[in-house]
Amino acid sequence: EVQLVESGGGLVQPGGSLRLSCAASGFIFSSYWMHWVRQVPGKGLVWVSRIKSDGSGAIHADSVKGRFTISRDNAKNTLYLQMNSLRAEDTAVYYCAKADASWYDYWGQGTLVTVSS
Amino acid sequence: SYELTQPPSVSVSPGQTASITCSGDKLGDKYVCWYQQKPGQSPVVVIYQDTKRPSGIPERFSGSNSGNTATLTISGTQAMDEADYYCQAWDSSTYVFGTGTKVTVL
Repeated sequence: EVQLVESGGGLVQPGGSLRLSCAASGFIFSSYWMHWVRQVPGKGLVWVSRIKSDGSGAIHADSVKGRFTISRDNAKNTLYLQMNSLRAEDTAVYYCAKADASWYDYWGQGTLVTVSS
Repeated sequence: SYELTQPPSVSVSPGQTASITCSGDKLGDKYVCWYQQKPGQSPVVVIYQDTKRPSGIPERFSGSNSGNTATLTISGTQAMDEADYYCQAWDSSTYVFGTGTKVTVL
């Protein structure tokens, strides 16, 4: 059974940092591109970042470029999102998602990040 | 930046057909998928690569994509289909979600 379990969310002050993790199981993690998607409670889905299966080709949405970094450790079957210089507008539920070609076939349950003083 | 526009809401009677549009520049040149999200849950794909249904998704869900518009159609809508629906466009570096549509089954 495929499982994606996010962790690392919480309350952080503006300007602070957090690192989100997504532990993957039930599939060959090193074979799939992975993404982060966020959602402000009550609002829509927003794509954040993508990384290719071998750890190359990391790209980020313009809204987080230069502040967020996606990475992965295929030996640990774990996806990461390092978030620096956090702003109030980064407050959201962050989902990791497994990509199967041009769609997400599995999503995690999400982890809430709250940026507030 | 690339944008996808959906109607904020669609209302449908049980058993009737609901159509949700997703508009974007030359959208027909990209792959589109559709996600269903119920309150408090993670999204679930209902259509991928414009027209394909994943296993386990009922046949009443179908999709099309041409020109500047993709459409998700729910035929014989059931109460359990009440949810938010999001389109998403994919190409080599575009992973944009639509604005979302709330489907209400009255």
